[in-house]
Amino acid sequence: QVQLQESGPGLVKPSETLSLTCSVSGGSISTYYWSWMRQPPGKGLEWIGYIFYSGSTNYNPSLKSRVTISLDTSKNQFSLKLSSVTAADTAVYYCARAVSTSGWFNYWGQGTLVTVSS
Amino acid sequence: QSVLTQPPSVSGAPGQRVTISCTGSSSNIGASYDVHWYQQLPGTAPKLLIYGNDNRPSGVPDRFSGSKSGTSASLAITGLQAEDEADYYCQSYDSSLSGHVVFGGGTKLTVL
Repeated sequence: QVQLQESGPGLVKPSETLSLTCSVSGGSISTYYWSWMRQPPGKGLEWIGYIFYSGSTNYNPSLKSRVTISLDTSKNQFSLKLSSVTAADTAVYYCARAVSTSGWFNYWGQGTLVTVSS
Repeated sequence: QSVLTQPPSVSGAPGQRVTISCTGSSSNIGASYDVHWYQQLPGTAPKLLIYGNDNRPSGVPDRFSGSKSGTSASLAITGLQAEDEADYYCQSYDSSLSGHVVFGGGTKLTVL
């Protein structure tokens, strides 16, 4: 059974860079599309972007200028960096696996809350 | 403002049938991209409920069904149970701006 687990700081200062890692177990990261989503408190889901095992990426147009998603196949992990954060970036961040660019997310991490505050 | 539009809330009594709509446009649902549905219980990660418009993953009860027509999709839940009370999200793909994944704003289902 594939399992995903997010890790990273729970508190980030405004203007700094948010960094999270998703560790994948029970399956290889060398296939499928690996995504990040987020959910501000009390609000809906927002797709941040994905990375394909080949290294190609696609990002949400509204976040594209601040987002970088990378892959570390040796550790079976992928990572998210979101720069110049503000309070509006406070959210639960989820990593997930999709079967294709337009496909469904069949495996999700439990989510990690990141708060942006000084 | 979400690209896919869902009603903020729906409700129904135990045993009843409810539907949740998901309205898109010609660049997403209307462009023949599939619609997927997720159930999110309080404090938990979303769980895949329907994929590819009308397919249920293993373990999802057949009380849940999905459909798609034109620029809209629907999730139907029959025989409503207390444990169905949750938030429901639709998801698709939009071909604008080089293509990207889009979610609906979510619908809160209350079991009366």
